[in-house]
Amino acid sequence: NAGVTQTPKFQVLKTGQSMTLQCAQDMNHEYMSWYRQDPGMGLRLIHYSVGAGITDQGEVPNGYNVSRSTTEDFPLRLLSAAPSQTSVYFCASSPGLAGGPSYNEQFFGPGTRLTVL
Amino acid sequence: RKEVEQDPGPFNVPEGATVAFNCTYSNSASQSFFWYRQDCRKEPKLLMSVYSSGNEDGRFTAQLNRASQYISLLIRDSKLSDSATYLCVVNIKGRGYNQGGKLIFGQGTELSVKP
Repeated sequence: NAGVTQTPKFQVLKTGQSMTLQCAQDMNHEYMSWYRQDPGMGLRLIHYSVGAGITDQGEVPNGYNVSRSTTEDFPLRLLSAAPSQTSVYFCASSPGLAGGPSYNEQFFGPGTRLTVL
Repeated sequence: RKEVEQDPGPFNVPEGATVAFNCTYSNSASQSFFWYRQDCRKEPKLLMSVYSSGNEDGRFTAQLNRASQYISLLIRDSKLSDSATYLCVVNIKGRGYNQGGKLIFGQGTELSVKP
C-alpha cells in the first residue's frame, strides 16, 4: 500500500491564484481530514469527511473548499490564495469509528509546503 | 481558551533522564486520547493511545484523568532518538451522522535529548 499520498510536495502561489492540493489513500479508510500547521500553532483542522459525499468544517475552514466524491480522494481547494495561507498542509485518513480508540489512529501524508507571495 | 493545551517547550534533557509532558483539554465530550510524535519537517505519527486505566509501552507511560481533563506522557531513560515534538491529541465526539468525531491537536512540546 502507498498509504496516504499528497501532491504537490512544494508550491508557490501569487496572491489571488487558486489551486487544488491533492490527497489520496489506498487503505479504504472512511475518515479523511486536512490540517494546516503553522509555527507555534500545532495542527489545526480545516475540513474533514466521514465518508464519500459527506464533509464538514473543522477549526479553520475559511478560504478552503473540499469535496469527497470517492472514498480514495479528498482534494483541498484554495479559492483565492492569501499570504495568511502560507503553511504546511497535511492530509490524513483513518478507518473511522468502528470500535475502540485504535480505530481513530490517523495516518498522515508527507505534507505540502505552500508559500503564497 | 484552546481546546487542547500542552506544556510550552522546548524541553532540553540529558540522555537517560525522565521527562514528563502534560496536556489539558476543555471539551468534556472528548472520547479518545492520543500522543503523536512529529520529527522535524515530517508528518505526525501515532506514538500511543491513552486509556483511562493508564498504559505503558516500553519506556513510555501515558495517563488520563477524565475528572481533571488531563493527560500526561512520561518518557523514562531518554534516548537521543526521542528528540522530536510530542503532540497531545483529543477526539471530540461527533454529532448526528458524524459519529467519528474530529481530532484536535495541541500545539506540541518539543523535546531535545542531549548526549
